[in-house]
Amino acid sequence: DIQMTQSPSSLSASVGDRVTITCRASQSISSNLNWYQQKPGKAPNLLIYAASSLQSGVPSRFSGSGSGTDFTLTISSLQPEDFATYYCQQSSSTPRTFGQGTKVEIK
Amino acid sequence: QVQLVQSGAEVKKPGASVKVSCKASGYTFTGFYLHWVRQAPGQGLEWMGWINPNTGTTNDAQKFQGRVTMTRDTSITTVYMELNRLRSDDTAVYYCARMATVTTKHFDYWGQGTLVTVSS
Repeated sequence: DIQMTQSPSSLSASVGDRVTITCRASQSISSNLNWYQQKPGKAPNLLIYAASSLQSGVPSRFSGSGSGTDFTLTISSLQPEDFATYYCQQSSSTPRTFGQGTKVEIK
Repeated sequence: QVQLVQSGAEVKKPGASVKVSCKASGYTFTGFYLHWVRQAPGQGLEWMGWINPNTGTTNDAQKFQGRVTMTRDTSITTVYMELNRLRSDDTAVYYCARMATVTTKHFDYWGQGTLVTVSS
């Protein structure tokens, strides 16, 4: 199974901050990497697919980069509605493993 | 608009079975794979498996093999996930999710989730 490791596990940031979350795969997954946002009590919501493609309707302050084993999700200017937990997921092979999540909290 | 509507919360005893449904609407049901993902309380997301609604073919995670069955009823555009021999650590919210394309394989729509509680 491919292991996905996110860092950090949590972070505190202020509105307007630039936030970066990283995700590392235990083996190369090319660009088969997706990012989801989840708010408490809600289903996950797709932000980025294929490492860097922005899902329709997602604000442009979200961006993704990387390939192979190392990936990054960036929020260019954190907004109040962005406080949530973020998960990466590999779609290179089954099982479709997720990272453990990164909780973004208000500073 | 695309919608995935799941069945309601369940409370089961250890050793019992649970069957969760996911009704799809707003798109061609047989054109997109549906996956199941679960989330234990306060924990992360765990992939369980997928079903091809067109053929009925399934693929589930090794961890659940022998305990999970995924089926579909094309006449009512609904997929089902049945988990047998329930244990307390199966307590979780279970989600169905649509796989957007067979190329990028991301999940573009999710059901609202079904809480399954396993308790004696």
